[in-house]
Amino acid sequence: RLVQSGAEMKKPGASVKVSCKASGYNFATYSFGWVRQAPGQGLEWMAWISPYKDKTNYSRKFQGRVTLTADTSMSTVSMELRSLTSDDTAVYYCARVVLGSWELPRWDYWGQGTRVTVSS
Amino acid sequence: EVVLTQSPGTLSLSPGERATLSCRAFQSLSGSSLAWYQQKPGQAPRLLIYGTSTRATGIPDRFNGSGSGTDFVLTISRLEPEDFAVYFCQHYGTSTWTFGQGTKVEIK
Repeated sequence: RLVQSGAEMKKPGASVKVSCKASGYNFATYSFGWVRQAPGQGLEWMAWISPYKDKTNYSRKFQGRVTLTADTSMSTVSMELRSLTSDDTAVYYCARVVLGSWELPRWDYWGQGTRVTVSS
Repeated sequence: EVVLTQSPGTLSLSPGERATLSCRAFQSLSGSSLAWYQQKPGQAPRLLIYGTSTRATGIPDRFNGSGSGTDFVLTISRLEPEDFAVYFCQHYGTSTWTFGQGTKVEIK
């Protein structure tokens, strides 16, 4: 199960940090991905993190503006997005990523989503 | 960079009908890295199919995935009322993930 932090309202230029807490399985053996969904739009991949490999990958669109971190002691991953504009208004989702030499890639469990609203 | 194009944008069908959703890429993809998700209004996406054709746990056998190369298809053999939703395809390659823009299956 993945439980995300609550809705956020931010002003343009601010930063937001959304957390995603995992439970019910071995946190250390999985990766986590983040996508966002603007109102009425599709899913936009942002980044993913592999805590056990200490590796992150960012979409080119968000490179330099987003940072993923993991706290294995708390089984939590976090996504920070900086320099917010109204275009960043969206629901942000985390998901557990299954990936490995013997695994077919997929996002099998999802958080409930966190609504981020950017408005002056 | 992989771009996934889904068609049609909207599919209007009646319960009991067959739905055929397409996901196309400009370059040949590894079928092992192609997945499908279902999303209902106000909910998070749910994994349906991965590795082109493997159903996720608990997914009914009316959902089938197929395809290879640049063309992949999700087929819903007989639409149930709960199947009316938006469907996204997804690909993984070279440490990046790509989603299609989605196909909405609506009640006719």
